[in-house]
Amino acid sequence: GESVGLHLPTLSVQEGDNSIINCAYSNSASDYFIWYKQESGKGPQFIIDIRSNMDKRQGQRVTVLLNKTVKHLSLQIAATQPGDSAVYFCAENYGGATNKLIFGTGTLLAVQP
Amino acid sequence: DVKVTQSSRYLVKRTGEKVFLECVQDMDHENMFWYRQDPGLGLRLIYFSYDVKMKEKGDIPEGYSVSREKKERFSLILESASTNQTSMYLCASRSGQYYEQYFGPGTRLTVT
Repeated sequence: GESVGLHLPTLSVQEGDNSIINCAYSNSASDYFIWYKQESGKGPQFIIDIRSNMDKRQGQRVTVLLNKTVKHLSLQIAATQPGDSAVYFCAENYGGATNKLIFGTGTLLAVQP
Repeated sequence: DVKVTQSSRYLVKRTGEKVFLECVQDMDHENMFWYRQDPGLGLRLIYFSYDVKMKEKGDIPEGYSVSREKKERFSLILESASTNQTSMYLCASRSGQYYEQYFGPGTRLTVT
């Protein structure tokens, strides 16, 4: 089976509850951040992004919060559903000429029915 | 929708074999990337390309090479596969204008 979820911190929530997944990023000069969702056996899927000139951005059932003071990013999922079970990881854009994304190791979200 | 496809979902090769992993994207993206994903280590960049015939080393290029002869296709080559290259390999692409990368489904490579 797939092993993406091994060795990862796990957040276990009840269906219908709100989930908050946290990420600490490393570079204070990073100008753009993305949250990805990776289901078992699949490639990462874009969820939501935020630029460094914003503190908050909302999508459908998801909200991303950016705290540049402490270099912290969070993803809030409202009314968590079983289909939200996956590994979630953040990525920061280092900027510069290459514009490479640096990825966090991820958090496994387990939704209990 | 952006579509990134990879030639194989699962691959089993023997030590010393030459391995080709193919990636194709259909959105005319300039930039393409190869990552490997290992438990506890996250995604690590192997190589990327910002244009046809252009390539740049990522963080872990040793033991790999790449080829980009056409804009839509980016190939990862393991010249002589070793057991420590057993991993999930992910291809991604993005436009030159935006930062978000779009990923393929991945190829799980096992080298025995």
